[in-house]
Amino acid sequence: EAAVTQSPRNKVTVTGGNVTLSCRQTNSHNYMYWYRQDTGHGLRLIHYSYGAGNLQIGDVPDGYKATRTTQEDFFLLLELASPSQTSLYFCASRLGGLNTLYFGAGTRLSVL
Amino acid sequence: GDQVKQSPSALSLQEGTNSALRCNFSIATTTVQWFLQNPRGSLMNLFYLVPGTKENGRLKSTFNSKESYSTLHIRDAQLEDSGTYFCAAVNTGNYKYVFGAGTRLKVIA
Repeated sequence: EAAVTQSPRNKVTVTGGNVTLSCRQTNSHNYMYWYRQDTGHGLRLIHYSYGAGNLQIGDVPDGYKATRTTQEDFFLLLELASPSQTSLYFCASRLGGLNTLYFGAGTRLSVL
Repeated sequence: GDQVKQSPSALSLQEGTNSALRCNFSIATTTVQWFLQNPRGSLMNLFYLVPGTKENGRLKSTFNSKESYSTLHIRDAQLEDSGTYFCAAVNTGNYKYVFGAGTRLKVIA
């Protein structure tokens, strides 16, 4: 099965802090995604990318930036973290077109 | 309204019994994926479906694109089947995955 690695696995920061979540896949997948998961909302798409240098806006992008530096690496940036961004964040990837989506293990972020 | 609606939202099953979970879609889709989120939070792939049926052990899933629904059947439920089951449909317009809200399953001895 395809491997998607997220880091860190847990992160605590304060309101106004700067946070970067990292995601790496070595499956030669074209598409990478960042989701957040909150009770009562399921999985919501923040940003996604079709390839290195490409960025697409998801459904809940406010307060988040993302950057796809290489085919393998996709970063999610919270430049002024707020308590409303406390959540479980998942990265996912897939080859392209109509192919299976694979998830990382998740990053639990707490903004105090 | 919900583009991918899952039912039931929660379910409790006696060990050894059978059940079916359902997803109804109101978006154009040609593929469906089912995931299980275990109690530790990890999301595992169960099935990736084009219209038709797939089976894997005690699990079987069907996707009917004409009637816009998918089902996941669990046979002989075991304690380790507990978790939250998500279905996701690929929006054929933008290739985004749209997720349902999940079905929380608890299998009891």
